[in-house]
Amino acid sequence: NAGVMQNPRHLVRRRGQEARLRCSPMKGHSHVYWYRQLPEEGLKFMVYLQKENIIDESGMPKERFSAEFPKEGPSILRIQQVVRGDSAAYFCASSPLGTGDIQYFGAGTRLSVL
Amino acid sequence: GQQLNQSPQSMFIQEGEDVSMNCTSSSIFNTWLWYKQDPGEGPVLLIALYKAGELTSNGRLTAQFGITRKDSFLNISASIPSDVGIYFCAGSASGGSYIPTFGRGTSLIVHP
Repeated sequence: NAGVMQNPRHLVRRRGQEARLRCSPMKGHSHVYWYRQLPEEGLKFMVYLQKENIIDESGMPKERFSAEFPKEGPSILRIQQVVRGDSAAYFCASSPLGTGDIQYFGAGTRLSVL
Repeated sequence: GQQLNQSPQSMFIQEGEDVSMNCTSSSIFNTWLWYKQDPGEGPVLLIALYKAGELTSNGRLTAQFGITRKDSFLNISASIPSDVGIYFCAGSASGGSYIPTFGRGTSLIVHP
């Protein structure tokens, strides 16, 4: 987990609010991946980004969810108009260029929607 | 899409016992990864496997890439209380940046 920083660690939102989850990859890593984990479930892939580009968003819901990885600053996973079903742990992982299979994970953001 | 079955779902063992868990896939993988997740934390990579038949160790942990390329095994010898956690396998169909598929995890509880 060392190096991949996610914040906040815990986030509480009411239904209809927006949630913004941040991820700073390990130094030197230009690939970022977002996953969602429900209790007693595995990790479900959401989106894969490189700097300023979305490479694969096949796992991301078409509505309310968006992700970005700007040239400067952390990657952001944004969930608009949150619903109770969005409550989950969201993990970010990063990998160095050319070794995408080895992903190093952050500690996650636990989102609770009231 | 690819399906990955991990078993057992949970294990309750005594300290000092050996542990075995496995993952099977409906399709061929080129890479197998094993991660451990502690409560409230993110997964940490334990072992990466790249070749069919490969056997790799990391301390008391040993993992194997199955010959058929559709399965992988993780063994933990002489378990200790800090081995408690959830172990995930993950496989990907090719190298480079292909997104790995994760199993649902094996929850391990070690009784002192």
